[in-house]
Amino acid sequence: EAGVTQFPSHSVIEKGQTVTLRCDPISGHDNLYWYRRVMGKEIKFLLHFVKESKQDESGMPNNRFLAERTGGTYSTLKVQPAELEDSGVYFCASSQVPRWTEAFFGQGTRLTVV
Amino acid sequence: RKEVEQDPGPFNVPEGATVAFNCTYSNSASQSFFWYRQDCRKEPKLLMSVYSSGNEDGRFTAQLNRASQYISLLIRDSKLSDSATYLCVVFGGATNKLIFGTGTLLAVQP
Repeated sequence: EAGVTQFPSHSVIEKGQTVTLRCDPISGHDNLYWYRRVMGKEIKFLLHFVKESKQDESGMPNNRFLAERTGGTYSTLKVQPAELEDSGVYFCASSQVPRWTEAFFGQGTRLTVV
Repeated sequence: RKEVEQDPGPFNVPEGATVAFNCTYSNSASQSFFWYRQDCRKEPKLLMSVYSSGNEDGRFTAQLNRASQYISLLIRDSKLSDSATYLCVVFGGATNKLIFGTGTLLAVQP
């Protein structure tokens, strides 16, 4: 069974550009989470989807970040315009039910804004 | 104050050593507790859940002290393959999300 997959694995963009990250959860998983790790800091929650609905987006840093999950399958996280402080590793995780013993993380997208 | 505090290390230990990691959390309403393992440039993976009664999985023993809001992980007979970052993770009190510590780096030396 395929795990959580994220695209791209790496992205280097200039400040002011737009980047879209994609997450394909494990098939059948209704819960999808985005997390981010900025250099030297802990992994932090960004938002949580249940199917196509945003359950909790309290961790989104500002309105330059837009997450979508059309149809309740894959999700995208767009950063527009990107700033230097957005650099970090963006992780996606999914679970069938909201129990963390059954959640799996993707390998992450390493974003570098220069 | 961070919600989950860990000693970042690094912990450099020889093969076969016993090593212990500690973690404290600030939200007394936290419900569930975990240790995750993260290898360099990889995703975090669940190592084990942590229960008040203590739980053991092979060479790994986890313990939770709710009164002190303290979590521990003990690794016995360290292997080279145990080298990784160990993340203390708490399931937030009223919210359905994980709160991560910064992680403790373990390097097991031959």
